[in-house]
Amino acid sequence: DARVTQTPRHKVTEMGQEVTMRCQPILGHNTVFWYRQTMMQGLELLAYFRNRAPLDDSGMPKDRFSAEMPDATLATLKIQPSEPRDSAVYFCASGLGQGAKNSPLHFGNGTRLTVT
Amino acid sequence: KNQVEQSPQSLIILEGKNCTLQCNYTVSPFSNLRWYKQDTGRGPVSLTIMTFSENTKSNGRYTATLDADTKQSSLHITASQLSDSASYICVVSRISGGSYIPTFGRGTSLIVHP
Repeated sequence: DARVTQTPRHKVTEMGQEVTMRCQPILGHNTVFWYRQTMMQGLELLAYFRNRAPLDDSGMPKDRFSAEMPDATLATLKIQPSEPRDSAVYFCASGLGQGAKNSPLHFGNGTRLTVT
Repeated sequence: KNQVEQSPQSLIILEGKNCTLQCNYTVSPFSNLRWYKQDTGRGPVSLTIMTFSENTKSNGRYTATLDADTKQSSLHITASQLSDSASYICVVSRISGGSYIPTFGRGTSLIVHP
């Protein structure tokens, strides 16, 4: 089965350090989402790409977060500098966007980030 | 504002019993509604999808309903099993700029006890 792969699975870092999370979407999928999940807020949309172009990053704190897709096989989410309130599980999901509305999102297993 | 509200927040049932989870939404314009199951430590996995014209859809022991007029959906689980213990997330997609944007509920945490 094709899967969305996220690395690392776990990351513990000190406040102020840079954190980079990576995602390999399913081959052929043209949409990629980054979500953050916490117990209090559930799944929050951070950024959304279609055909590698960023379409919506309104949910992302712009001063410290950045999301990119350097190529179709890699999406990255960076936090610099990291803060304790960034501690959460970050999920990447990919899917078939426009033209395939019944396509589900396929999620990776997330990166659990702890900022001390 | 596009929102998805789920109830109850958490639920504990005995193995073999049935249960029903609720989802209310204000997402517009409506495209489709999905129920996802999220096991602990894993990403969500799609269980079923409902479009505007569909009222009921089943996937094994899972049956989803949709009332597009009242903007409500339910997920009914029959003869629950221990493996049903998970978070169930209602996701409603809208059409925006030619793309389908999902809005997630906070989920219902289901615990099935033996």
